[in-house]
Amino acid sequence: DIQMTQSPSTLSASVGDRVTITCRASQSISVWLAWYQQKPGQAPKLLIYKASSLEGGVPSRFSGSGSGTEFTLTISSLQPDDFATYYCQQYNPYSPYTFGQGTKLDLK
Amino acid sequence: QVQLVQSGAEVKKPGASVKVSCKTYGYTFTNYDVTWVRQAPGQGLEWMGWISVYSGNTQYAQKLQGRVTMTTDTSTNTAYMELRSLTFDDTAVYYCARAHSYGSGFQAYWGQGTLVSVSS
Repeated sequence: DIQMTQSPSTLSASVGDRVTITCRASQSISVWLAWYQQKPGQAPKLLIYKASSLEGGVPSRFSGSGSGTEFTLTISSLQPDDFATYYCQQYNPYSPYTFGQGTKLDLK
Repeated sequence: QVQLVQSGAEVKKPGASVKVSCKTYGYTFTNYDVTWVRQAPGQGLEWMGWISVYSGNTQYAQKLQGRVTMTTDTSTNTAYMELRSLTFDDTAVYYCARAHSYGSGFQAYWGQGTLVSVSS
């Protein structure tokens, strides 16, 4: 299976900061990568798909980039509602899908 | 609007089986794959597998092969996930989710989650 490694595991930041989370795949997945946000007690919420496409209704301060094996999720200016855990997921066709281990974004 | 409504919490003994249902509303059921994801207490998301509602084709995570079965009932627009030979490590919240679009591998709509507790 394709392994997904996120870094950092925990990120402390302040409102207004620009933050970046990285996700690395153990083999090339082209652009078949999605990012989700999850808050405690809630189901995940889709933010980004196909590495850089913003899901409808998601604020434009979220952006994704990358291809092959290295990907990033950037939040341009953190808002109070953004403190949550973020997961990447690869969905490379013809292989089982996998999630990264998650990055918890908390208030500094 | 699109909704996925899952069955209620379950408590099972080790070695037993559990079957979680996911009833869908607000879209054409056969047009979108259904994925199952679980999350152990305090842990990350684990992809379990998906089923093509249209064809019945499935793909399961390797670690669950032989223990998990995903099915659908198109007469009631309901998806099911059955997990057998439960162990304490299977204690988790189980989510069903609908694909964003036809054939897409990422999920835009999620159920509320079903807590399965394995306890002796």
